Amino acid sequence: NAGVTQTPKFQVLKTGQSMTLQCAQDMNHNSMYWYRQDPGMGLRLIYYSASEGTTDKGEVPNGYNVSRLNKREFSLRLESAAPSQTSVYFCASSGRTGGILMNTEAFFGQGTRLTVV
Amino acid sequence: GENVEQHPSTLSVQEGDSAVIKCTYSDSASNYFPWYKQELGKGPQLIIDIRSNVGEKKDQRIAVTLNKTAKHFSLHITETQPEDSAVYFCAASRSSGSARQLTFGSGTQLTVLP
Repeated sequence: NAGVTQTPKFQVLKTGQSMTLQCAQDMNHNSMYWYRQDPGMGLRLIYYSASEGTTDKGEVPNGYNVSRLNKREFSLRLESAAPSQTSVYFCASSGRTGGILMNTEAFFGQGTRLTVV
Repeated sequence: GENVEQHPSTLSVQEGDSAVIKCTYSDSASNYFPWYKQELGKGPQLIIDIRSNVGEKKDQRIAVTLNKTAKHFSLHITETQPEDSAVYFCAASRSSGSARQLTFGSGTQLTVLP
């Protein structure tokens, strides 16, 4: 199992350019998430998708859009990149398990390091 | 919303010694508290988690304690080894619906000196 796969691993953008970060999971998880990680600030939730067909804002959604393409794939789009969006982006997924359908742990991808110049 | 504070931000210990990292949370409705280890250039990986109906959980050299009244939880690593060197994050979440929205602490850089 590959788990959570993110592409690309590295990207440099010029201010104002757009791009889409791709994420796919092969664990049949219902929920998927996008986080950003900045030095000294831990990980902050940008958007999440509780299930296929739904998306919701997290703590820092401004400047981003997301698409839950199907159960496996969840993409993050920057329409007009800004230097403040320079960060490492992590995609994660989680599912349900057990007789009372407890949430599983969140599994993270390897990250996309994005630099906006 | 939830706020998670983590201390210390850096921690150096001698190989074989114990390491303790502490976190506090603000939302009394939070009921799930995972700890993640992040090695350089990699994504966070779960090392242990605890739910609010449990006060302590152990897994070999790693243990987590939870004090719901005081709203704090701690990670204890015993007999530290050089491969324990990494950044450790605590997190908290509610079990709301089918999604697990984690609020993370700011991280602790643990260095184990040989």
